[in-house]
Amino acid sequence: GQSLEQPSEVTAVEGAIVQINCTYQTSGFYGLSWYQQHDGGAPTFLSYNALDGLEETGRFSSFLSRSDSYGYLLLQELQMKDSASYFCAVRDSLSGSARQLTFGSGTQLTVLP
Amino acid sequence: NAGVTQTPKFQVLKTGQSMTLQCAQDMNHEYMSWYRQDPGMGLRLIHYSVGAGITDQGEVPNGYNVSRSTTEDFPLRLLSAAPSQTSVYFCASSPTGAIGNTIYFGEGSWLTVV
Repeated sequence: GQSLEQPSEVTAVEGAIVQINCTYQTSGFYGLSWYQQHDGGAPTFLSYNALDGLEETGRFSSFLSRSDSYGYLLLQELQMKDSASYFCAVRDSLSGSARQLTFGSGTQLTVLP
Repeated sequence: NAGVTQTPKFQVLKTGQSMTLQCAQDMNHEYMSWYRQDPGMGLRLIHYSVGAGITDQGEVPNGYNVSRSTTEDFPLRLLSAAPSQTSVYFCASSPTGAIGNTIYFGEGSWLTVV
């Protein structure tokens, strides 16, 4: 089966840097994605890593190590609006041309003033 | 640009009732899917479709049916609602092409079964 582990909660102050880790065990692997979800809202795409290394998009960066089955999301210069849940998701199958994602349980990030 | 539109936003059902959650996308995406999200948990895949006329089961399909008669629409039917189906339901779509395609989610449908 597939499983993803990420911390349930992280707290940081405005302006700080926070790292949200994700470890995964899947039968196949075709990339690690990160999604942000504000309370009551829809998940929105943040980043995607198919290969090892760091991908940077503005204040957000995402890292992947396939040999360690591990990735992280790095948020810099935290703002109050970054308070949300963050989900890692693994694309573990290409069967039948399906684009299936398996999601972690999410990390609730609270940014304090 | 509407993106992915779900209706209704909120619904209360009695145990045993049936209903359909509607989902429509205007981005001409081939791939559509339904997820459910329970409190404090990630999203779990219910059913998905890789194109009109083609559907398949996800991780938690029991108690749900889907159909895909057009590219735009992907309704989710609850056959006989149960309290265990109380959840938030998200419809999603993504285009064809590279593996890293973004998945676009609707705003969610809050369903309570009493």
